[in-house]
Amino acid sequence: GNSVTQMEGPVTLSEEAFLTINCTYTATGYPSLFWYVQYPGEGLQLLLKATKADDKGSNKGFEATYRKETTSFHLEKGSVQVSDSAVYFCALRGGSSASKIIFGSGTRLSIRP
Amino acid sequence: NAGVMQNPRHLVRRRGQEARLRCSPMKGHSHVYWYRQLPEEGLKFMVYLQKENIIDESGMPKERFSAEFPKEGPSILRIQQVVRGDSAAYFCASSPRAGELQETQYFGPGTRLLVL
Repeated sequence: GNSVTQMEGPVTLSEEAFLTINCTYTATGYPSLFWYVQYPGEGLQLLLKATKADDKGSNKGFEATYRKETTSFHLEKGSVQVSDSAVYFCALRGGSSASKIIFGSGTRLSIRP
Repeated sequence: NAGVMQNPRHLVRRRGQEARLRCSPMKGHSHVYWYRQLPEEGLKFMVYLQKENIIDESGMPKERFSAEFPKEGPSILRIQQVVRGDSAAYFCASSPRAGELQETQYFGPGTRLLVL
């Protein structure tokens, strides 16, 4: 079945550092791919998405490119801020999983001032 | 346009009691999804409902758990005879329609259930 594997955390970086959180997926068909962010004590917010191969999703300085050849959707940001500290979830929807979203286990990111 | 609303935000129950979690989808949304997040884990799909219909309950435990989305009112996730292992955050999401891969699900703030 469909699955998502993402980089284990926690990840600790200094402010203004470059961020990469790796995400790979296994899916039949052509799923849509998402990154969600969860701030402490809150629900999930959609950060960005891509719906087909080679699409790039971007929001708030974060980017991720749908790479079908490597089945990856790595999250990147050029210069992180303390306010980016949160848990990040890679997810997919579609293919054999139909309407439900399949989430990765999450990566906790902490940014030091 | 208000987002997805869930209540209560926090719920404490003793073992053996019932827990009722409510979810009001975004205005204009007729599809509701429930997910469970165990501590330090990702979210796991539980059930997908449309008004008055359960479409996919493949993630629901076979016993004690039930869900409904009546014609009027919020969706309800009901857990009977709760056990400590039910302690988790329960998230509801909604979308205006299904069947389109591009359709985004919008999540509520969650209900954090603690079973003593």
